[in-house]
Amino acid sequence: SAVISQKPSRDICQRGTSLTIQCQVDSQVTMMFWYRQQPGQSLTLIATANQGSEATYESGFVIDKFPISRPNLTFSTLTVSNMSPEDSSIYLCSVDSGGNIQYFGAGTRLSVL
Amino acid sequence: GQQVMQIPQYQHVQEGEDFTTYCNSSTTLSNIQWYKQRPGGHPVFLIQLVKSGEVKKQKRLTFQFGEAKKNSSLHITATQTTDVGTYFCAGRSNTGKLIFGQGTTLQVKP
Repeated sequence: SAVISQKPSRDICQRGTSLTIQCQVDSQVTMMFWYRQQPGQSLTLIATANQGSEATYESGFVIDKFPISRPNLTFSTLTVSNMSPEDSSIYLCSVDSGGNIQYFGAGTRLSVL
Repeated sequence: GQQVMQIPQYQHVQEGEDFTTYCNSSTTLSNIQWYKQRPGGHPVFLIQLVKSGEVKKQKRLTFQFGEAKKNSSLHITATQTTDVGTYFCAGRSNTGKLIFGQGTTLQVKP
């Protein structure tokens, strides 16, 4: 299993500003994932973060809006840039541990005013 | 694109009643996983099914993977209030991508 620390746990931000979410894993992992979960909805994959290379973004998500860093095998950040109220959501990081099982962080609950 | 459909979206049951949620994929899956998300929490892995026709049990929970590896179900026998939450299936395609269903939110009335 993997233990994931994600912060902040929640934030309230003004539109036009940016927020960086951090994700720390207790073991080295190759792939880290960033998801968005809007209230009452399913999980939508934003991007896959691989150490040493640029993140791979899913359709509908772009690097300018959601820049991702992956400086080492235990850490990643997701920035939500130039926020608008539509970005209000829960953002979750996860890792793919042994056996293709995904472990999730506790999530960041973002409200944009 | 590839989709994983899950029904029902919501289910309200009386404590002690059974509950089932169903998952269907538009394409054949290499495996399927099930997650539970408690209210205000994050998804927690429950189980992974890999083989065609596979059935696995965890106490009152029974998970099944269809023969064609395109559908799956989760059945809870004699629900308890601790079963409350949203259950997600997640199918892994042959390209390796994990695709989550819409989830079924279970409410249990004591």
